[in-house]
Amino acid sequence: DSGVTQTPKHLITATGQRVTLRCSPRSGDLSVYWYQQSLDQGLQFLIQYYNGEERAKGNILERFSAQQFPDLHSELNLSSLELGDSALYFCASSVEQRNTEAFFGQGTRLTVV
Amino acid sequence: GEDVEQSLFLSVREGDSSVINCTYTDSSSTYLYWYKQEPGAGLQLLTYIFSNMDMKQDQRLTVLLNKKDKHLSLRIADTQTGDSAIYFCAESIQGNTPLVFGKGTRLSVIA
Repeated sequence: DSGVTQTPKHLITATGQRVTLRCSPRSGDLSVYWYQQSLDQGLQFLIQYYNGEERAKGNILERFSAQQFPDLHSELNLSSLELGDSALYFCASSVEQRNTEAFFGQGTRLTVV
Repeated sequence: GEDVEQSLFLSVREGDSSVINCTYTDSSSTYLYWYKQEPGAGLQLLTYIFSNMDMKQDQRLTVLLNKKDKHLSLRIADTQTGDSAIYFCAESIQGNTPLVFGKGTRLSVIA
């Protein structure tokens, strides 16, 4: 157990809908990262938050947004969902802004039908 | 920019050594990582090495780094069936930039 908790584990939704994925980092970790894992694109970095502030942005679509709350948990919001958004979404956390030791959650498997 | 390449498949017999290879492109100061992903699970950090090191050993795992060729390898000694998984190589510049992952190497261990 990495100590990073993601909910829900599985999510099935229809195209055009909006979903929220939640991540609780390890106790004491200030940085949260979101990654998308799909068969064709592999593991892609989406966005990083550090202590509530956006720190780095990757290949995140405009339809997607994230935030980190004062209690350090983070949410990834995906809207106007398309079939191609079906993927595993991972959250990772680390103590510092540096991801020298980033620990991953179990992921949320999103299926868009 | 950063790019990480790995071979996609490796099959070994139980008890043999496995060697998983990775090449990276960025010549800046870099941290290089190995993660393991078992079916239905998240990514587990196995080990990492800084690019000014040549080797790092941790129990059955040995990481070798050839800076000249930008080549990284992970050797698993006495491979067990429980080592069957996908192994990802990743890099980050000084640990400050988000991890860039390879496509992963699927290791199959034959009993």
